[in-house]
Amino acid sequence: NAGVTQTPKFQVLKTGQSMTLQCAQDMNHNSMYWYRQDPGMGLRLIYYSASEGTTDKGEVPNGYNVSRLNKREFSLRLESAAPSQTSVYFCASSVTGEQYFGPGTRLTVT
Amino acid sequence: KQEVTQIPAALSVPEGENLVLNCSFTDSAIYNLQWFRQDPGKGLTSLLLIQSSQREQTSGRLNASLDKSSGRSTLYIAASQPGDSATYLCAAYGGQSGYALNFGKGTSLLVTP
Repeated sequence: NAGVTQTPKFQVLKTGQSMTLQCAQDMNHNSMYWYRQDPGMGLRLIYYSASEGTTDKGEVPNGYNVSRLNKREFSLRLESAAPSQTSVYFCASSVTGEQYFGPGTRLTVT
Repeated sequence: KQEVTQIPAALSVPEGENLVLNCSFTDSAIYNLQWFRQDPGKGLTSLLLIQSSQREQTSGRLNASLDKSSGRSTLYIAASQPGDSATYLCAAYGGQSGYALNFGKGTSLLVTP
């Protein structure tokens, strides 16, 4: 099992560009999450999906959109990137509350 | 909103010492508490999960305890090794935060040979 996979691993964007971060899990988990990790702020929840077809906002959703494409895949889209979105982005999936994390995407917006 | 605090923020110990990392949370109505390890530039690795009905969990040299009534969890590492050097994060799940995992800011551990 690959667990939780994320692509890309690294990305540099210019302000105003758009991109989609991809996440997939092969553990048949219902719930999936997107977090961002910033120095001094810890990990913060952006969006989550409790099950296929549903999505909900987390603590810091502004500037992001998500799509739960199917049970395996949960993507995060930045429509118009801003320097404040420079961060490390982690996807996670869970069953019975235990969460499993992907390796992260390091995003820099210049 | 659930607030999770980890003390100390950083810790340096010589190899072989036993050590305790502390985690406190403000909303005791949690479903579980999870401890993670994060190496520099890497993702999070789950170490231990304690369900709300449990008092502790053990895995090898690691032991985590949970006291919901006082809003505290501890991670005990026995006979520390240089390979244990990493950042340790605790996260509380459930309560009024619903599906969210609320993370502490971590304890950065350095074990010196």
